[in-house]
Amino acid sequence: DAEITQSPRHKITETGRQVTLACHQTWNHNNMFWYRQDLGHGLRLIHYSYGVHDTNKGEVSDGYSVSRSNTEDLPLTLESAASSQTSVYFCASSERYPPNTGELFFGEGSRLTVL
Amino acid sequence: AQSVAQPEDQVNVAEGNPLTVKCTYSVSGNPYLFWYVQYPNRGLQFLLKYITGDNLVKGSYGFEAEFNKSQTSFHLKKPSALVSDSALYFCASSHSGAGSYQLTFGKGTKLSVIP
Repeated sequence: DAEITQSPRHKITETGRQVTLACHQTWNHNNMFWYRQDLGHGLRLIHYSYGVHDTNKGEVSDGYSVSRSNTEDLPLTLESAASSQTSVYFCASSERYPPNTGELFFGEGSRLTVL
Repeated sequence: AQSVAQPEDQVNVAEGNPLTVKCTYSVSGNPYLFWYVQYPNRGLQFLLKYITGDNLVKGSYGFEAEFNKSQTSFHLKKPSALVSDSALYFCASSHSGAGSYQLTFGKGTKLSVIP
């Protein structure tokens, strides 16, 4: 079955370190997204991509970057981790265009703690 | 700017009783509306969507939602709640206008079904 996988599922790091969260989907979807989930805020969009070599900033993109070198992967990098980036991160993908007309398929999440 | 409000942080309902989880939206143009469910330590799962057509939308697991344009609402309903429906529910919106296709999520409502 097609799926979307995130790794690592749990990570603890220190302030100032670079961290990369991986996202891999086997649906061959063009659209991929990264969200963070925080209590009281719901889900907020960090970055998104509509295809290979396409990346766009979302609502809370400061301190994060992504790259899209193939259809399957959209890694999220925290260049210099901060305690405010402690959160649960979700990757999602979708196939429809326009992208806001179809369902999102979510990964299981990556819980990041920055000490 | 678009926004989604879920006025109740938590909803408690007895097993077998009907349940309603409320959502109101504010978008420019025609709204696209979605409901997602999140079980503990899992990613979000799509339940249903309204893009156009009938105001009553049926989705997964016996859930349905009614689009009410005059009240700008999209409440999630189920005739008879199950204990297994206990989860976190998110409403999300987008719109048909040109430009960003991004979804805006509400903050979530925790549903507890009491045996």
